[in-house]
This record gives sequence, structure tokens and C-alpha cells, in this order.
Amino acid sequence: DGGITQSPKYLFRKEGQNVTLSCEQNLNHDAMYWYRQDPGQGLRLIYYSQIVNDFQKGDIAEGYSVSREKKESFPLTVTSAQKNPTAFYLCASSIADEQYFGPGTRLTVT
Amino acid sequence: GESVGLHLPTLSVQEGDNSIINCAYSNSASDYFIWYKQESGKGPQFIIDIRSNMDKRQGQRVTVLLNKTVKHLSLQIAATQPGDSAVYFCAENWAGSNYKLTFGKGTLLTVNP
Repeated sequence: DGGITQSPKYLFRKEGQNVTLSCEQNLNHDAMYWYRQDPGQGLRLIYYSQIVNDFQKGDIAEGYSVSREKKESFPLTVTSAQKNPTAFYLCASSIADEQYFGPGTRLTVT
Repeated sequence: GESVGLHLPTLSVQEGDNSIINCAYSNSASDYFIWYKQESGKGPQFIIDIRSNMDKRQGQRVTVLLNKTVKHLSLQIAATQPGDSAVYFCAENWAGSNYKLTFGKGTLLTVNP
């Protein structure tokens, strides 16, 4: 099956711990994106990457970090510097304009 | 868990009726638009897209209308079914944005059997 996978679906962490969310795609898309979704709000862009070994900050990059060592993979690390990390995190990939999303990871930090 | 539909505009329809979901976009330079469907706890699903050189595009049971004069986009769903219940949101993109989409907050559609 072609698509975008995110794991795990649910993730729980204690405050002060870093946590890495996985995103893998086998669509051969060059560009990948990370979004954060909070209840009642639109998707907000955290980081995006248009090509391997390159990435740019989105609108809310503070407290997050990414890497893009392989075309298929774009992991997101939520660091302890992120003040309000509890959210639903969505990964997407695209070829040109069309973005396709993974199933999401719900992160809860207590 | 929390629903992405909290505090969103809502539309409630009867099964079999047609639904119209509206979206006002912000950038007059936007030239590409997408409608997504998001069910609770899942990732958004691409429904249909339209470019600014068109004012109407049809898919299976869905039609998107674009009015560039008033910067308005609508999604029409024919013969709405219970499985259509979800949050629907639009996204816009413009040349020079590096393919970054700007997303609306969404509308929660509830289909009553």
C-alpha cells in the first residue's frame, strides 16, 4: 500500500522529556510537512522540507526540531522547550500543490 | 479524546439532503484551493481541488465553486450520507509560497439519519 504512516497513534510523555514522532512515506514525494492541530483551530505549520537534507521553519517552529536524512522519512522531535506540546500532530507529503496526510499522532504531555 | 470539531461552525443536515459548506479565503493572489475531510481522530483526506482559472469543478457527489471576486469557495455534497459526517476545511496556496498551504478552521458537518 502506498501512503504516509505515522507512529505511534497515541503517545504519552512526562513534562520535561523530549519525544520524537515518526513519519514515513512511500509515495516518492519530495516535500514533507509537519502540522499541529488544536481543537477548533486550523492546521499550523511547524516545519517543512522540500528536499533531502534541507528543511525550513514554519509558523510555529519554536520548541520543535526535525531532520530529513532520507526522502522517505521526516521525524519531528518535540523538545522540553515547547511550552504547550499536547496536541494532534499531522505529517503530510506533497508532489507540487497536492498535500496528502498521515493518520496523525496524538501527543499528551502531563 | 478531544474532537477537532470543538468550537467550529456547524452544519446539520438530514440524510439525503444536499450540503453546502462555505469558506472565505484571505489572499487574492491564491491560485489553488483544496477541500479536505477530516473524521474524528484521523488525518485529513483530500476531497477535491480547483485552480483559479476555473470557477467550478465536479467530482463524485461533490462540486467545488470558486468566486474570486468575493474570495469565496464552497463545497457542495449531493445526497449527503451519514458517512459524510466530519470536519471539512479548505486550504489555499499561491505561487511563491513554496507549496505551503494556508488552512481554514473548518466546518463540522453532522448528517442525521
